[in-house]
Amino acid sequence: NAGVTQTPKFQVLKTGQSMTLQCAQDMNHNSMYWYRQDPGMGLRLIYYSASEGTTDKGEVPNGYNVSRLNKREFSLRLESAAPSQTSVYFCASTPGMNTEAFFGQGTRLTVV
Amino acid sequence: DQQVKQNSPSLSVQEGRISILNCDYTNSMFDYFLWYKKYPAEGPTFLISISSIKDKNEDGRFTVFLNKSAKHLSLHIVPSQPGDSAVYFCAALDAGNNRKLIWGLGTSLAVNP
Repeated sequence: NAGVTQTPKFQVLKTGQSMTLQCAQDMNHNSMYWYRQDPGMGLRLIYYSASEGTTDKGEVPNGYNVSRLNKREFSLRLESAAPSQTSVYFCASTPGMNTEAFFGQGTRLTVV
Repeated sequence: DQQVKQNSPSLSVQEGRISILNCDYTNSMFDYFLWYKKYPAEGPTFLISISSIKDKNEDGRFTVFLNKSAKHLSLHIVPSQPGDSAVYFCAALDAGNNRKLIWGLGTSLAVNP
């Protein structure tokens, strides 16, 4: 039972580099989300996709783009990484919008 | 401004005793509340929820109480076990804002053997 799978688990980037965080769920969920977690800040929503073919900004979208490739996959792209984007990133999915969420294990990203 | 407040960053409890984690909220449009548990290096996992039309929901050792007039909810764990040591997040659905999910900052629970 894979649930929500995120890759990679760890990544170090230099300032200005780009990368894409991958997320896939095998639960046939409609909605998917990208969060970041920083010390003292809790979980903050970056982008979400209420259903296949739609994406919307969350609380902290600046510096990120997303793609809902199909119902299973929702990727997060950093076009030009900045040290302020050092964080732990979590992907989540829900059967419907904001019902009980299933989270991936997280990606720990460091931008130097 | 935090709409969901978990005022205790940490809590330490003896194994077998009750753990009580508190959560306060400010928005009267919140109509559904969820608790998540998070272990280090893992994603949060859903624990228990409660609708605003109820005042109590129980699932095994976990009970959530909701006091709407006080805008307060609490998670009770009885009896506490060392495996319950984790960060607990309170979250609320905002019926007045497209059912946006609002998160608290979390409480770190340590259950000591």
